[in-house]
Order: sequence, then C-alpha cells, then structure tokens
Amino acid sequence: EAGVTQSPTHLIKTRGQQATLRCSPISGHTSVYWYQQALGLGLQFLLWYDEGEERNRGNFPPRFSGRQFPNYSSELNVNALELEDSALYLCASSLDPLSGNTIYFGEGSWLTVV
Amino acid sequence: GEDVEQSLFLSVREGDSSVINCTYTDSSSTYLYWYKQEPGAGLQLLTYIFSNMDMKQDQRLTVLLNKKDKHLSLRIADTQTGDSAIYFCAESKGYSTLTFGKGTMLLVSP
Repeated sequence: EAGVTQSPTHLIKTRGQQATLRCSPISGHTSVYWYQQALGLGLQFLLWYDEGEERNRGNFPPRFSGRQFPNYSSELNVNALELEDSALYLCASSLDPLSGNTIYFGEGSWLTVV
Repeated sequence: GEDVEQSLFLSVREGDSSVINCTYTDSSSTYLYWYKQEPGAGLQLLTYIFSNMDMKQDQRLTVLLNKKDKHLSLRIADTQTGDSAIYFCAESKGYSTLTFGKGTMLLVSP
C-alpha cells in the first residue's frame, strides 16, 4: 500500500513568485496536515484539513493557504514567496483525526526561494 | 519556554544501548510520539504511547513515560549504524496538531 506521496520533490522559485505543493494521503485517510521544517526552526504546524474543510491553522501569514479535494488529496499554496520560506514542507495523513496514533508523513517537498 | 525539549546530540558505539530523552510541558498531552528522520528524508513514525501508559516495548525500542515529571525517553537496544538519524519527540492532545521537539541527532560509530 502506498504511503503519503508528495510532489514535487524539489522546487526552486524566485522571491515574489507562488509555489504549489501537492500531497496524496494514504488510501482511506481523510485528514491531511502540512508542516514546515525550516533550518534552525524545527517542525512547525501549518494547516490541517479534514473532510475538505480547514480545521486548524498554525501561526503563519495568510499567504500560506491550501485546500483539500474530494479525493482527500491536498494542495499547499505559498504566495509572494520570501527567502525565509525556503524549507522542507512535510505532508502527513491520518485515518482518524481524534485518535492521534495514525499520523504518517511523506518524504517532503524541498522549496528553495532565491 | 519550549513546549517539547530534547537534547541536541547523542553519540554511541555500535552494539550499545541509546537513550534519547524528551521533556514536555503540557500536562493535557494525550499522545506522545517518536519519529525518525534520516538525511534528506521525511519523518518515519517509530512508536507512540498513550499518556495513561508507563512503558511500551516494540522489538529494539522501549518507550518510558513519567507523567509526573513530564519526561519521555526512547531506548534503542543494540544500536546499529543504520540507526544514525535525527529523532523527534512530539506530543498531541488528540485533535491532530503535533508539537515537535527540535530533534536529537544520534550518531552511531562502528
């Protein structure tokens, strides 16, 4: 069974542009989470989607946004890119958002802003 | 202060046991996790423990939880060079958001 898959693996953008990252959850999982892992800042929670709705949001500006599609896949959009947005963006999925014990991560998408 | 704290670095010799420690501040944490991250890769869920448990063993991994002191540890028996990675402790209150520590880099030398 496929795990959480993310694309692209690597993305290079210039400052001011927009980036779109994609995530496919494990089959049957309805919740998708996005985390940012920036150098020196650790893993920071970005967004949580469940059943197509945004359920929770981390302490990030509105230019970080996303959505979840009817097939539970998800997209993370980052507008007006800044140099400090360079990071590894990790997507995770969960079968039951309240169980807490089934959160699995993908391999991540590396975003470099130049 | 930080919600979840870990020591930054641990070095052991192959065959020894490794113990990675973590402290957390939120007494309402319901689930506590250990994830492993190898260079350039995503996070691999190693194990988790519910807050009403004291210990959980899974093959070479033993998790100990001291809820009174809010202290969590991960013991890896017979550590191998393939165990070299960054280990993250994380806590959750059951409604999905994980709070991670900064990670402990484990270096296993032959």
